[in-house]
Amino acid sequence: DAGVIQSPRHEVTEMGQEVTLRCKPISGHNSLFWYRQTMMRGLELLIYFNNNVPIDDSGMPEDRFSAKMPNASFSTLKIQPSEPRDSAVYFCASSLADTSRGETQYFGPGTRLLVL
Amino acid sequence: AQSVTQLDSQVPVFEEAPVELRCNYSSSVSVYLFWYVQYPNQGLQLLLKYLSGSTLVESINGFEAEFNKSQTSFHLRKPSVHISDTAEYFCAVSPWGGSNYKLTFGKGTLLTVNP
Repeated sequence: DAGVIQSPRHEVTEMGQEVTLRCKPISGHNSLFWYRQTMMRGLELLIYFNNNVPIDDSGMPEDRFSAKMPNASFSTLKIQPSEPRDSAVYFCASSLADTSRGETQYFGPGTRLLVL
Repeated sequence: AQSVTQLDSQVPVFEEAPVELRCNYSSSVSVYLFWYVQYPNQGLQLLLKYLSGSTLVESINGFEAEFNKSQTSFHLRKPSVHISDTAEYFCAVSPWGGSNYKLTFGKGTLLTVNP
């Protein structure tokens, strides 16, 4: 199994530019998560999809952030316009959800974003 | 809501020494408990988890953690560490029930194993 795949692995952009992060979950998994990791705030859940439907987006910081999951094998996280405070490592994770128990989430390698 | 406190941000130890990484949590409902490990420039990997049953859980590489409900703790231990255990370790909880997907992480403990 290839695991969760994220691209790009590194992104450097200038303030005001649009940034799109991509994720391919593990085949057969029905839940997908986007997290942000910073030194100050640690790991934060941004959004959770189940069966391609956004279930919980309460962690999305503001309207500049949007996420989509057009099919079971692909998701994007977009920041438009980007700001320096968006600099962080963004992780995608997937799991085979069983609502009755805490299922293991499998994380991708992350995208390290730097906004200048 | 849940919160997780990892009491030590950094733990340096020598190879073959024992180690304990501390984790305490706060929650108004019952929780599942997890330890994830992050090696440099990689994503998080599950190390072990407690869902129910025996309060002592073990990983395949010699780590163990014990759920203590009265102390709301889930400390991670290993009797003898290796250089390859150098990584950041994250304790996390998720609530029983419909929001069990929602992992709340601690800030992490950087374990550095020195020769």
